[in-house]
Parts: sequence; C-alpha cells; structure tokens
Amino acid sequence: GAGVSQSPSNKVTEKGKDVELRCDPISGHTALYWYRQSLGQGLEFLIYFQGNSAPDKSGLPSDRFSAERTGGSVSTLTIQRTQQEDSAVYLCASSERTDGYTFGSGTRLTVV
Amino acid sequence: AQSVAQPEDQVNVAEGNPLTVKCTYSVSGNPYLFWYVQYPNRGLQFLLKYITGDNLVKGSYGFEAEFNKSQTSFHLKKPSALVSDSALYFCAVRYYNTDKLIFGTGTRLQVFP
Repeated sequence: GAGVSQSPSNKVTEKGKDVELRCDPISGHTALYWYRQSLGQGLEFLIYFQGNSAPDKSGLPSDRFSAERTGGSVSTLTIQRTQQEDSAVYLCASSERTDGYTFGSGTRLTVV
Repeated sequence: AQSVAQPEDQVNVAEGNPLTVKCTYSVSGNPYLFWYVQYPNRGLQFLLKYITGDNLVKGSYGFEAEFNKSQTSFHLKKPSALVSDSALYFCAVRYYNTDKLIFGTGTRLQVFP
C-alpha cells in the first residue's frame, strides 16, 4: 500500500486479556519497527525486524510482549495478560536502509 | 551510549517570528539525524534528514536544520512561524552501523497568533 497501515486504530481491553496489534508496512520495505508512546512521553523502542528476523528486541518491556513478522511483510505485536501500564499508543514504522521511517497512525490501547 | 536530547519541553513563539527547536546527540561515529512532527491524534511525519554533505538541510513545510559536528547539534529552524506549525517535534538519531532510530523526548511547539 501507499503507507503504513495499523489496526485496530483503537482498542479497549480488560486487564488480564491478551491483545494483538497489526502492522502492514509499505510494500518492499524490509525493515519494520515497533515503538510505544505513553501519554506525554517520548517514543520508546520495542523491537525491530529485518525481513522476518528480529535482530533487536531489546526494548520489549517484559515476556508478556512478543512480536512476529511473516513473509517479510505484516507484523503482529502481542501483549499477553495486559496490565494498566500497557496503556499507550503503539506505533509501527517501516523503512529502507538510509531513509527515515514512515510511521503508521498507531493503535491506541486502553487497558481498563 | 547513543542518545539524543531535546532540552526544551515546550517552545512558545509568536506567529511570524523565527523559531528554533533544539536537539543534541551523543558522539559515536557519524550519525544520521532526523526531525519528525506529530500533530494531535496523528502518527509521526518525516520533516527532514541529514545523512552527509551540506550541513544545512531543507525539509517540508519550510523547515530547515543545521548539522553542527563540533557542537553535536541538529537544531530545527523556520524563519517565520505559522499557527499551524503548533505540534510535537521529535529529533532522532540513527548510527551508520545500526538500523534503529533513537528518539528524543519531544518538544511541544506552540505558535501564538
């Protein structure tokens, strides 16, 4: 597609439930990134994919967080047993090597 | 450690006046530097980047930034601010041997009519 697409745009879930967030990058972009933006905060790096492998997953906050990417395209970020502190906007981006990122509009996750 | 700092949480400027949003980075090799803007309830939009070459980089919406290696800075500037420039601005650094962008904490720009 023309841009990075994320779904859902908004998600409200109950504490303890699992959620899946989806990112569809720009066609042909080999690199894909997940970031988290909490209210009033900067961007926190979560994980980076090059193709289907994740050379850097250093930002995942706990083992409740996982991500995968299939076919060098779509990526899913899964949060298990959600907690209130997981509430944030989750941003996905894709890029080519020396370019900046193109970001999606994000998924606003609210854990109640 | 590789990092980027935006020392101002908020910058206020009157419409028509020049604006500067500051950014400094830690020294480790030759960085790639970026500015992004985030409007309310929107994703981040790319403004401009410095990879190599001319230290003065021009980007979208009339913004420009100057790479200063001796001061390890990459300040964002615009000669004449518009109310519509009011948004959250992020500086980011990417080192040549990594693929990860490291973002600053953001600076909120408020342009008053």
